[in-house]
Amino acid sequence: AQTVTQSQPEMSVQEAETVTLSCTYDTSENNYYLFWYKQPPSRQMILVIRQEAYKQQNATENRFSVNFQKAAKSFSLKISDSQLGDTAMYFCAFLYGNKLVFGAGTILRVKS
Amino acid sequence: DTEVTQTPKHLVMGMTNKKSLKCEQHMGHRAMYWYKQKAKKPPELMFVYSYEKLSINESVPSRFSPECPNSSLLNLHLHALQPEDSALYLCASTIEGQLMSSYNSPLHFGNGTRLTVT
Repeated sequence: AQTVTQSQPEMSVQEAETVTLSCTYDTSENNYYLFWYKQPPSRQMILVIRQEAYKQQNATENRFSVNFQKAAKSFSLKISDSQLGDTAMYFCAFLYGNKLVFGAGTILRVKS
Repeated sequence: DTEVTQTPKHLVMGMTNKKSLKCEQHMGHRAMYWYKQKAKKPPELMFVYSYEKLSINESVPSRFSPECPNSSLLNLHLHALQPEDSALYLCASTIEGQLMSSYNSPLHFGNGTRLTVT
């Protein structure tokens, strides 16, 4: 069974600074997909970034980038130039076939 | 704006009531999901439909009954719920990804239905 671990329940960052959210996962599969989702108080789950396990290059999406270490089964999210609108719960998620499994989540608060 | 529409946004029901949650998408996605989410917790998978057929049931109690009448619509029928079933129910959809196909799209989520069982 696939498991996803997010070890940081809550984090804070000053506006315009950089923050990194950690995620590790456990799987015996070789090909899979990883995602970071954001859930603001509006409660909609919003896709932030995705990474295919067979790609060595780390995904980047504007201010968001990942550090994907397949051997270590690590998938951290870096948010640069943090903005107040980044305040949300962030979930790391693992997709294999049709099953998407979430980590426990990290609450990120961006302070002005 | 979300491309996955869930109704109603809020629902309060008694333990003897029968109600239904509705989810609709018009993106041509062929896999649809129900998740249950408690406050400050991650979503927990309940059901997955693939090409209108139930493909995953995560041992969900029978008081929750899913239905997929067509490729755009997903319902969750509720009967004899318990107060602990109060939660946010999220629907999601994705282009059907065959196991480890070369194209595997992320899930698109609706805004959820906030359910309170009294």
